[in-house]
Amino acid sequence: GESVGLHLPTLSVQEGDNSIINCAYSNSASDYFIWYKQESGKGPQFIIDIRSNMDKRQGQRVTVLLNKTVKHLSLQIAATQPGDSAVYFCAENTGTASKLTFGTGTRLQVTL
Amino acid sequence: NAGVMQNPRHLVRRRGQEARLRCSPMKGHSHVYWYRQLPEEGLKFMVYLQKENIIDESGMPKERFSAEFPKEGPSILRIQQVVRGDSAAYFCASSQGAMTYEQYFGPGTRLTVT
Repeated sequence: GESVGLHLPTLSVQEGDNSIINCAYSNSASDYFIWYKQESGKGPQFIIDIRSNMDKRQGQRVTVLLNKTVKHLSLQIAATQPGDSAVYFCAENTGTASKLTFGTGTRLQVTL
Repeated sequence: NAGVMQNPRHLVRRRGQEARLRCSPMKGHSHVYWYRQLPEEGLKFMVYLQKENIIDESGMPKERFSAEFPKEGPSILRIQQVVRGDSAAYFCASSQGAMTYEQYFGPGTRLTVT
């Protein structure tokens, strides 16, 4: 079965609000996590990553939080914009494995 | 610096025909990964290749599917005798090295089997 999953399939937020997308993983050996954004008809686009020796990492308008105790990952998007509308995937890599394991995705809808 | 390129972007095949999907990695990248995505689902790993070598094919179906990454030219994912269940988006990603985790994805090939 899937080792990475998401709590909410669809998230609707108003423009300007903050968005939080959650992800649970089950492989305690995973040491690298990535968030991807996928717009309709396009390939996944790298947003931000985090290694297991960190619990927080910030980028431009995005923050990823990692809680290894409960195997939980979240992506926070500040001041959500219409261009943020997409499906967001978390993915994990165990370090020794070459492949990424993806969750099923959360669709983010930004309303005006 | 061109990104990962895939062609064709859309491919229609009748049941029983062969499908060939091509992927050119980013410049300087020698590691290629193929993933399959069904509608409304996440990407599923298929195969990981380096030049002239298959490193991990644990996600590849045992029959009808094959992949190669020759010394010269793009990586090819080949599906023989396609069936309707093969209809999906196939994405290629590349990375700079085996321990470079960040993978860059191409735009995908959408295969439709009629």
